[in-house]
Amino acid sequence: DVKVTQSSRYLVKRTGEKVFLECVQDMDHENMFWYRQDPGLGLRLIYFSYDVKMKEKGDIPEGYSVSREKKERFSLILESASTNQTSMYLCASSLFQGGQPQHFGDGTRLSIL
Amino acid sequence: AQSVTQLGSHVSVSEGALVLLRCNYSSSVPPYLFWYVQYPNQGLQLLLKYTSAATLVKGINGFEAEFKKSETSFHLTKPSAHMSDAAEYFCAVLSSGNTPLVFGKGTRLSVIA
Repeated sequence: DVKVTQSSRYLVKRTGEKVFLECVQDMDHENMFWYRQDPGLGLRLIYFSYDVKMKEKGDIPEGYSVSREKKERFSLILESASTNQTSMYLCASSLFQGGQPQHFGDGTRLSIL
Repeated sequence: AQSVTQLGSHVSVSEGALVLLRCNYSSSVPPYLFWYVQYPNQGLQLLLKYTSAATLVKGINGFEAEFKKSETSFHLTKPSAHMSDAAEYFCAVLSSGNTPLVFGKGTRLSVIA
C-alpha cells in the first residue's frame, strides 16, 4: 500500500512565523501535490510537482512556496503565516502515467494565532 | 476546462436505506473519474475509479458507481447505508495526461439510526 506521511497532525503557529509542512511518500511516485481544505470550499490545489526540483502553481499559490529536493519529499512553506492560512493541509502523490489516482496523507490541521 | 459538480452538499439517509450521491463532470475528452471518502480528521481514501474498462465500477465498502457518458454523470450508490458510512465524499475528474485531479466540493453523508 502507498504510504503518504505528513509530519504533523496538528500544528499551532503565530502570525508572521515561517512554517514548514513536510510530506514523505514511500512508493517512488513522481507526482506530489499540496492542497488546503476549508469548509464549503472543498479541496484547493496550492502547488504540485512532477519531478525533483520542479514545481507548478496550482489555484491558490499566493503566500506559499514549495521545495522538492528529493523525489520522496515535498515541503510546503508558509513564508509569513497569517490567520487566513488557518486550514487543513493535505499532501498527495501519484504515478506519472496518466489516469492514476492520487494517494493522500492524513492531513495537518494548522492554526495560526 | 474540466469541472465537477456534486449535487447536494449534505445528504441524510436512514440506516439500511439506499445511498445515492450525485456527480456530474465536464470534460472535452473521455475522462478518468474517481470517488474518494474522507472520515473526520483523516485524509482522502480512494473508494473507486473509472478508467474506461467497464461502465459499472465496484469499489470498497459495498459502494459502486456507474459512468453514463450521455449524462456526463458518475453517481455513487450503495444499496444499504451503514452508520460507518457517515463521512464526506468527493468526486474527481482527470481528463488526460499527467495533470492534477479536479475535485468537486464534496457531499457530507449523514446516516440516521
